[in-house]
Amino acid sequence: AQSVSQHNHHVILSEAASLELGCNYSYGGTVNLFWYVQYPGQHLQLLLKYFSGDPLVKGIKGFEAEFIKSKFSFNLRKPSVQWSDTAEYFCAVNAPGGANNLFFGTGTRLTVIP
Amino acid sequence: ETGVTQSPTHLIKTRGQQVTLRCSSQSGHNTVSWYQQALGQGPQFIFQYYREEENGRGNFPPRFSGLQFPNYSSELNVNALELDDSALYLCAAIGTSLNEQFFGPGTRLTVL
Repeated sequence: AQSVSQHNHHVILSEAASLELGCNYSYGGTVNLFWYVQYPGQHLQLLLKYFSGDPLVKGIKGFEAEFIKSKFSFNLRKPSVQWSDTAEYFCAVNAPGGANNLFFGTGTRLTVIP
Repeated sequence: ETGVTQSPTHLIKTRGQQVTLRCSSQSGHNTVSWYQQALGQGPQFIFQYYREEENGRGNFPPRFSGLQFPNYSSELNVNALELDDSALYLCAAIGTSLNEQFFGPGTRLTVL
């Protein structure tokens, strides 16, 4: 069965600090990887996704993530966070084909202090 | 805006009651998934519907059931509500890329 681990439960950063949120997944086959963000009171929104190709993917709002197959990781990064990045971040994985259901991690709450 | 709407926004029920949650996609996506997001947790897959048929199910008991209609709107029904059913219920429409899911705002269910 697929599973996703996000080891950082709550991260607090000052504005302009760099961000890296960890995500590790457990699955033996090919996977699609996603990062979603949930701003307070808003929908889950897709930040970025990896299906294949270049393991470094760029998403919206200056976020990027790197897929490292050997480490089963897909860490999210941003060089300089803003107060508006305060939100809950979820890593998710699914297997291509099938029911397309997503397996989510437990989420990381990011608080950015102005 | 994702074009996915859910109703109601909030709902309070008591143990043993039944509830119906609704979802619609403005784009008419023919595949919809339902997720349960308990407080402090990530969303967990309940089931998916494709062309009005269940097309995959997560680890949820049969008292969680669903429907999808010809206009691709969908319902989640939960019978015999338990306290642990209190959660945010999310509906997601699957995009044409098949691997991108557009989430609605959710329905927050509280079971007392």
